[in-house]
Amino acid sequence: GENVEQHPSTLSVQEGDSAVIKCTYSDSASNYFPWYKQELGKRPQLIIDIRSNVGEKKDQRIAVTLNKTAKHFSLHITETQPEDSAVYFCAARGYGGSQGNLIFGKGTKLSVKP
Amino acid sequence: DADVTQTPRNRITKTGKRIMLECSQTKGHDRMYWYRQDPGLGLRLIYYSFDVKDINKGEISDGYSVSRQAQAKFSLSLESAIPNQTALYFCATSGTTSGGASEQFFGPGTRLTVL
Repeated sequence: GENVEQHPSTLSVQEGDSAVIKCTYSDSASNYFPWYKQELGKRPQLIIDIRSNVGEKKDQRIAVTLNKTAKHFSLHITETQPEDSAVYFCAARGYGGSQGNLIFGKGTKLSVKP
Repeated sequence: DADVTQTPRNRITKTGKRIMLECSQTKGHDRMYWYRQDPGLGLRLIYYSFDVKDINKGEISDGYSVSRQAQAKFSLSLESAIPNQTALYFCATSGTTSGGASEQFFGPGTRLTVL
C-alpha cells in the first residue's frame, strides 16, 4: 500500500522567511496530493491540493510542487507570518482497494517567530 | 452551514468500558472516515465507509468497530477501552467526483482519555 514520508518534523523560521516542507510517496499510481493545516486545538483543514496531471499550483503565499518521476511533492510558504504557525500534513491518495483514501504523513510543526 | 459534528467532544473513561463516539454530517457526502491522531504519528485511518452498506477496515482497526446508521451518521465504538486508545479522534467526510479523490472535511475531534 501507499506510504508517505514527511520532513522535517519541526521547522522554525523568522517572520518573512520562506518555509519548505517535503513529502515522498511510494505508490506511483497515486494521483491526488492534498496539504492540510491544523492549528492548535483545531481540526485539520485543506489549504491546497494538486493532482498528478499538474506540476505546480499556487494560491497567494502558498504553492505546491509535484515531481511524479521522483515521487515527491513539496509545500512552499513565502513571506511567512505568525499565523502560519501550525502543524502541516501532506497526504497521498491511495489506489486500488482503498481508492479514495488518503494516507497522511506524520506532520510538520511550523513555528514562525515574530 | 453544512458541517461535520462529533459527540462527545471530550470523554474520560475507565479501562474495560464500552465507548461510542458519534459523527454526523450535513454535507450530503457518501464517504465517511474515522481517524486517530497521536502526537508525532499523524492521522491514522481506523475505518472508512463509502456508502451505507459499505464498511472497510483501515490501518489500525483492531479494538474498534463502526456502524453506518445512515448516510449522515457514522459511529465508532471501543468495545473494551484500554489506555493506549487514549488519543484525539477525528471523523471526516468526502464527496465523490469523476476524478476520484476530493477534499476531506474533518469534524472538530473527540479527545478520549482511558484511565
